Amino acid sequence: QVQLQESGPGLVTPSQTLSLTCTVSGGSISNDNYFWSWIRQHPGKGLEWIAYIYYNGNTYYNPSLKSRLTISVDTSKNQFSLTLNSVTAADTAIYYCAREVKQAAGSDAFDIWGQGTMVTVSS
Amino acid sequence: EIVMTQSPATLSVSPGERATLSCRASQSVNNNLAWYQQKPGQAPRLLIYGASTRATGIPARFSGSGSGTEFTLSVSSLQSEDFAVYYCQHYNNLPLTFGGGTKVEIK
Repeated sequence: QVQLQESGPGLVTPSQTLSLTCTVSGGSISNDNYFWSWIRQHPGKGLEWIAYIYYNGNTYYNPSLKSRLTISVDTSKNQFSLTLNSVTAADTAIYYCAREVKQAAGSDAFDIWGQGTMVTVSS
Repeated sequence: EIVMTQSPATLSVSPGERATLSCRASQSVNNNLAWYQQKPGQAPRLLIYGASTRATGIPARFSGSGSGTEFTLSVSSLQSEDFAVYYCQHYNNLPLTFGGGTKVEIK
């Protein structure tokens, strides 16, 4: 059974870089039936899709974050990662990684989620 | 970007009663619509995709309907474990967006 686990620092200093990694277990990140996404949830608020990456490195970023964002994949480690530059308090959130089913026409639903990791931006 | 609007923000329902949640898209998303359930301290869980198809292991009391811009999630007889926040999400095009959520609370 596929599981996802986020890892990374829980506290980031304003203006610095937030880096998170999602490790996929129980299945291969190179499975061409899936995209691998990052989603965040501000405290007590709704969900915001950040970006996805395909096993071959193809990416799509949410335009609202694109200028500060990089995601990458390491198929040898079965991991994908997120880097968000120049963070502010507004980036404080729970960050989830999730598996997104790929259909012929594009995206489909998020069928598996990590447990989430809380990241606080504060000095 | 497609804006997803959910109503009501909070729904108070007694156990055993039916709950009906609404989701509206700012433009047609065809049937490319999913519903998720989120309990406190947990990640969202996929309930419905394709507007009406239950995900693996989801009880039959959950049902989804709609297409285009108007969607509904119904829970036929609320159980104690169903009190949670529910989100809709479209995947018709990018960027993917979620609704603001409906909290289903015990009346």
